[in-house]
Parts: sequence; structure tokens; C-alpha cells
Amino acid sequence: DGGITQSPKYLFRKEGQNVTLSCEQNLNHDAMYWYRQDPGQGLRLIYYSQIVNDFQKGDIAEGYSVSREKKESFPLTVTSAQKNPTAFYLCASRPPKGGLSNEKLFFGSGTQLSVL
Amino acid sequence: QQPVQSPQAVILREGEDAVINCSSSKALYSVHWYRQKHGEAPVFLMILLKGGEQKGHEKISASFNEKKQQSSLYLTASQLSYSGTYFCGTERNFGNEKLTFGTGTRLTIIP
Repeated sequence: DGGITQSPKYLFRKEGQNVTLSCEQNLNHDAMYWYRQDPGQGLRLIYYSQIVNDFQKGDIAEGYSVSREKKESFPLTVTSAQKNPTAFYLCASRPPKGGLSNEKLFFGSGTQLSVL
Repeated sequence: QQPVQSPQAVILREGEDAVINCSSSKALYSVHWYRQKHGEAPVFLMILLKGGEQKGHEKISASFNEKKQQSSLYLTASQLSYSGTYFCGTERNFGNEKLTFGTGTRLTIIP
């Protein structure tokens, strides 16, 4: 079955440590996204990528980094510069525009990141 | 910029109707609506493109007023399963994939 997979489901970070969240999709989608969700809050865009080897900052990119070396993969690194990383992180992908019914986001099941 | 949603929260009795609004200060190409249950990924409801169209999905429908840059989600005869947080997501133009979500509206349905 095609889908989008995030791992791990739970992740703990020590102070000063960088951690990487995985996001893999086998839907052949070009666009991929990372969102951060704090308790009771909305989804805030961290980074997004429209095509391989290209990505753009979202609204809260500071303290985060991404890469897009393969179409299927869009890993997110939470660096030590991100002082308040505890949140629920959602990855999503989307097929090319052109077919209205296909323009929705496909979400992964999320990663809960906590600070030790 | 994040679209603004209202109300922030609403409590309904089963069978009552609700309207959730989503407004942007910028011209929009499309508006998405999703529902999220606690601890789960958001679930797609519908997309509206500029042109003022209204779309429906069972007892849930939505409209998009291009002149006002505002979309409204209508929930009719609410069911217990409608409980959750509703998010609108907006895009400003066709050529860019940036999709920005609002802060959400928490809907609680009580028997």
C-alpha cells in the first residue's frame, strides 16, 4: 500500500543534541512538508520542498534543517539551536496540481519529540 | 501569514449546526479544510478554489468568498463523530506549494 511513513513515533532529545526525524513516502509525490504542532495550537509550517534538491523555509524555520536528496525522503533535523523543540511533528506530501481531487495533503502519523 | 479562524472553540449538542470561518488578509488561490482527532494526523475534508464555489461532503459543506478572502465550513445536524479540531489551510497562488494552516477551531459535540 502507498503511504507516508514517519519514524520514530516518539523521540527524546538531550540538551545540546541534534536529532533527525524521518519522513518517507512511496506515493511518487513531488511536494513534501514539515509542520510543527504545539498542544492546543495549529499547524505551523517549518519547511517545504517542491522538488528534489530544492526546499524553502516556512514560517518557523529557525533551529531546523532539512534535505531533499531523494524524491521519497524529506528528513528534518532539529538542531541544538531550537531551544523549545518539544512538539508534535507532522510530515505531509502532495501530488502535482492539476486534478482537484488530488490536491490534498497526505499526512504521516507524526513524531512526538520531547526534551529530557 | 497564518489565516485567522473563528470561533476558537464551540460546544454543540448532537443534531445542532455549526459554522467555522477562515479569513486571510491576502488574495488566495485555494482553501483546504481538515479535521484532526487528538494525537492523530489531520483528515482531509475538502478543497475550494477561487471562484466562489461551494462544495459538499455528506452533511459538511463549505464556501469560498474570493472577494472577502474568506471561507466558511458548515456542519449540519452534527454527529458525535464530528468532534475534533478543524483547520483551514490556504495557498496564495498556483505556482507555489506553500500551504499555511490556521490556528484551528475545537469542536465538541455532546449527546
